[in-house]
Amino acid sequence: AQTVTQSQPEMSVQEAETVTLSCTYDTSENNYYLFWYKQPPSRQMILVIRQEAYKQQNATENRFSVNFQKAAKSFSLKISDSQLGDTAMYFCAFTNYGGSQGNLIFGKGTKLSVKP
Amino acid sequence: KAGVTQTPRYLIKTRGQQVTLSCSPISGHRSVSWYQQTPGQGLQFLFEYFSETQRNKGNFPGRFSGRQFSNSRSEMNVSTLELGDSALYLCASSAGLVGPDTQYFGPGTRLTVL
Repeated sequence: AQTVTQSQPEMSVQEAETVTLSCTYDTSENNYYLFWYKQPPSRQMILVIRQEAYKQQNATENRFSVNFQKAAKSFSLKISDSQLGDTAMYFCAFTNYGGSQGNLIFGKGTKLSVKP
Repeated sequence: KAGVTQTPRYLIKTRGQQVTLSCSPISGHRSVSWYQQTPGQGLQFLFEYFSETQRNKGNFPGRFSGRQFSNSRSEMNVSTLELGDSALYLCASSAGLVGPDTQYFGPGTRLTVL
């Protein structure tokens, strides 16, 4: 069974600094996607970044980037120049081809607080 | 494009009642997935519908059911509500392509069972 583990339940960072959120996953599949979703206190789940497993290049989206280590099954999220609006729960998620179509497997989340 | 919409946003029911939640996907998306979010269990997959057919199902009892209409709108029904069904129910839509796909979430329906 596929699993996603986020080992940091809570983190805090000062505004304008950089923070890295960790995520590891377990799968025997070779073709899959990994995601980071953000859920602010208003509860709307927002896609932050996506990584296709077949791509060696790490995905980036403005201040957000990932460090994807396929062999180690690690997928961390780096937030640069943290802003107050980055305060939210961050969920790492996994989905693959085949039988689990439409099924995102989520980690338990990391609560990030950005302090002024 | 308009995002995923869910109605109602908040719902209060009593044990034993049934409830129906609605989800309208992003225009052009044919897949709708439902998730239950609770503080204890986190985010858990309920089921996924594509072209009016349930394509995938999570590990939830038969009291949880759903359907999808020809316009891709989806409804989720929970019968004989239990206190433990109190949760945020999220729906997500995607294009429904073969293979991994990106899901976009709605704001959720907060269900409270008394």
